[in-house]
Amino acid sequence: AQSVTQLDSQVPVFEEAPVELRCNYSSSVSVYLFWYVQYPNQGLQLLLKYLSGSTLVESINGFEAEFNKSQTSFHLRKPSVHISDTAEYFCAVSDLERGGADGLTFGKGTHLIIQP
Amino acid sequence: DTGVSQNPRHKITKRGQNVTFRCDPISEHNRLYWYRQTLGQGPEFLTYFQNEAQLEKSRLLSDRFSAERPKGSFSTLEIQRTEQGDSAMYLCASSPVGLNQPQHFGDGTRLSIL
Repeated sequence: AQSVTQLDSQVPVFEEAPVELRCNYSSSVSVYLFWYVQYPNQGLQLLLKYLSGSTLVESINGFEAEFNKSQTSFHLRKPSVHISDTAEYFCAVSDLERGGADGLTFGKGTHLIIQP
Repeated sequence: DTGVSQNPRHKITKRGQNVTFRCDPISEHNRLYWYRQTLGQGPEFLTYFQNEAQLEKSRLLSDRFSAERPKGSFSTLEIQRTEQGDSAMYLCASSPVGLNQPQHFGDGTRLSIL
């Protein structure tokens, strides 16, 4: 069984400041890791993913996340946030041994609030 | 790529009624997933199909919940005898078959039980 913990339910940040959204997971098997973003009244959009290889993964809009196996973490960071980054962010894991052919296990989400 | 389409976007019904939601996946995607998302929570996996075969359904919340994908294209999720606790957002996602394929989500159907 897998579980995902997002330690902060809400993170307020001033515009242009850096931000880190924390994600820790628990699993008895190797996992794939994902960050999804959800804007109000919309579905989830894939932000970035870690499958294998380099532990630092980047998205096209400036976010990055680093897989740390020893700490079982996959924290999301951005060096300078914009007002449009205001959204709910979800960390998720998938059982690698099932090749991703299974449901994702999500954390409860972190609401990123950008203050002007 | 028109994305995953879900209908209706909103459904309001009285307790005890049956409801059915439809999901049209991205056309070349063989896998289709259903999730439920309640307020303040992350999505909760319910079931998944590969083509027309339902390969995982043990996570459906009760026997009032059922899903079909008869021709391996669109899927329906039905809830019978709805209860207040069924009020939630129901999300559909699809992905291609193969390793390392991320899931693409629709905008969901929001169910409100009066």
